[in-house]
Formats: sequence, C-alpha cells, structure tokens
Amino acid sequence: SAVISQKPSRDICQRGTSLTIQCQVDSQVTMMFWYRQQPGQSLTLIATANQGSEATYESGFVIDKFPISRPNLTFSTLTVSNMSPEDSSIYLCSVEGGTIHTFGSGTRLTVV
Amino acid sequence: EDQVTQSPEALRLQEGESSSLNCSYTVSGLRGLFWYRQDPGKGPEFLFTLYSAGEEKEKERLKATLTKKESFLHITAPKPEDSATYLCAVHYTGNQFYFGTGTSLTVIP
Repeated sequence: SAVISQKPSRDICQRGTSLTIQCQVDSQVTMMFWYRQQPGQSLTLIATANQGSEATYESGFVIDKFPISRPNLTFSTLTVSNMSPEDSSIYLCSVEGGTIHTFGSGTRLTVV
Repeated sequence: EDQVTQSPEALRLQEGESSSLNCSYTVSGLRGLFWYRQDPGKGPEFLFTLYSAGEEKEKERLKATLTKKESFLHITAPKPEDSATYLCAVHYTGNQFYFGTGTSLTVIP
C-alpha cells in the first residue's frame, strides 16, 4: 500500500489565520481525499481531489474555507482559511490504492 | 439517518478475555466494508476489507466477518497492545465512504 507523509503533524494557530497542510504520497494516485476528525467524533470527508481538476466538496464544506491544490499525482495541499476555534480538529489525507484507503498520520490543529 | 453505527462505544477487557465489536450499516450498494485501527494522535491503520456477505478475514488475534447488515470484529485473547479505537467504514456506490464513530478498546493487563 502507499506510504503517505503528512505535515505538519500538529500546529497551534491564532484565529483568523490560515494553515496549509501538505500530503505527499510515495506513488502516483488518481484520487486523494481530505478528512476532518473532530474531537471524539469519527472521520468526515471534506473533499476529493483529482489531479488536473477542481476538488469535489462534500455538503457543509466550501472551497473558500478549505481550498485544495492537487498539482500532480503525488501531492496535495489543504488550506484551512480564516480559522476559528471550531476548526480545531485532526485533518487527514487519504489515498485509494486498489480497494484499500491508506491514511496519513494526520495534522492536529488547535485554534486559539 | 446514520449510515454506519458502531457498538459499543467503549469496551474494557481483561487480557485474554475475548469479545466482539459490531458495525451495522444501512447503505445499499455496498462496495466494501473496511476495518481500521486508530491509535491516539495517529491516522487510521488499515486492517481488513470485506466485500460480500459470508466473507471472513483474519489477522493475528483479529477476525472480521460480514453479513448483509453488519460486520463483527472478533478479538481473541486480546493483549494490552490491542488497545486502540477500531473504526469501520463502508464504501458504496457513488464512491461514498462513511465512517462509524468507532469503538474504544482498552485491554487491561
């Protein structure tokens, strides 16, 4: 299965600022996924990112708040914009390799 | 309506005390049911994929089974290192992928 490097692993940010999370995969993949895991809750899909096209966002998530880049088949970024304390979560990227979805180690974001 | 429901929310076992975790789902057009293990501060680690009712997969002390409405993760003679949150997720038509809220397992020495 693919190996995913995600960074930063954690950050503490001031409200109103933005944070960009990077996800690097060791092999070329068509689809990359971004998830949010709020404290004590399960994973919620934010968006699906395909190389060369606009990301597809799930209900409740918008591009202005969570812009995504997918410049090539091994890399993607998720930006959390204009952060508020409610954005404090773990953010995870994932890739589909065959039938297995592999996850990065996550970014623990705290907004103060 | 919840797509995926896991029970119990939390489970404490004595070392060696076998038990089962449940994942029930209401979606149609199932493409696969996944089990993951998540340790604190880390991303989910893939365990199993099940595709059709009656299918079973095993790995060390873990065995996953699937029916048309639910999946079980059986843990035989657990050890403290099995302590983690176990997540199930269903993948169905339209490329939708939904996670349950997980079962937090603690195995006491």
